[in-house]
Amino acid sequence: RKEVEQDPGPFNVPEGATVAFNCTYSNSASQSFFWYRQDCRKEPKLLMSVYSSGNEDGRFTAQLNRASQYISLLIRDSKLSDSATYLCVVSGNTPLVFGKGTRLSVIA
Amino acid sequence: EAQVTQNPRYLITVTGKKLTVTCSQNMNHEYMSWYRQDPGLGLRQIYYSMNVEVTDKGDVPEGYKVSRKEKRNFPLILESPSPNQTSLYFCASSFKWDYGYTFGSGTRLTVV
Repeated sequence: RKEVEQDPGPFNVPEGATVAFNCTYSNSASQSFFWYRQDCRKEPKLLMSVYSSGNEDGRFTAQLNRASQYISLLIRDSKLSDSATYLCVVSGNTPLVFGKGTRLSVIA
Repeated sequence: EAQVTQNPRYLITVTGKKLTVTCSQNMNHEYMSWYRQDPGLGLRQIYYSMNVEVTDKGDVPEGYKVSRKEKRNFPLILESPSPNQTSLYFCASSFKWDYGYTFGSGTRLTVV
């Protein structure tokens, strides 16, 4: 089983839609979880950390399910500017492990 | 401005010609790391450093060298580049290895 798995997409959604991504991880000892956003040919940028209690930042909500070993990202009221690749990141036995990303296209 | 600076942004070189990609951060971060990103393969870690004079191999270290003589700098060295090292390279730094990383803008390397 791969350490971090994401559905590569693409997810094509209309503006205003709600979209959710899941990411599963294999290391039950992982303690740190993040979502990053990466625009085409640009550097990844930290979107939000994921805490056990879940956290929300504006239109974005991240949740952690330790029992099932997955994290999720929910984007409400999608904007054209949300189009990007979203990377799931988990701490492993070595420094952070990055998923390959889920591509989101928000369409007008 | 807090940032990670990589140079050069673009580089085309020939097989076997030694090159160095520089990485510098101004945030007093202890942890620094190098990644390469290739289509379909995602980000793969090359080397990382937990602190000055401490470096470790990542998932794909073959053909690369690094050094960490000062806290702020973490250069990536390709002693004898080959075409399979053509890739997009990112340097990243963090206060601690399991905190969020700040990435540099990337170096697009082509080896012909």
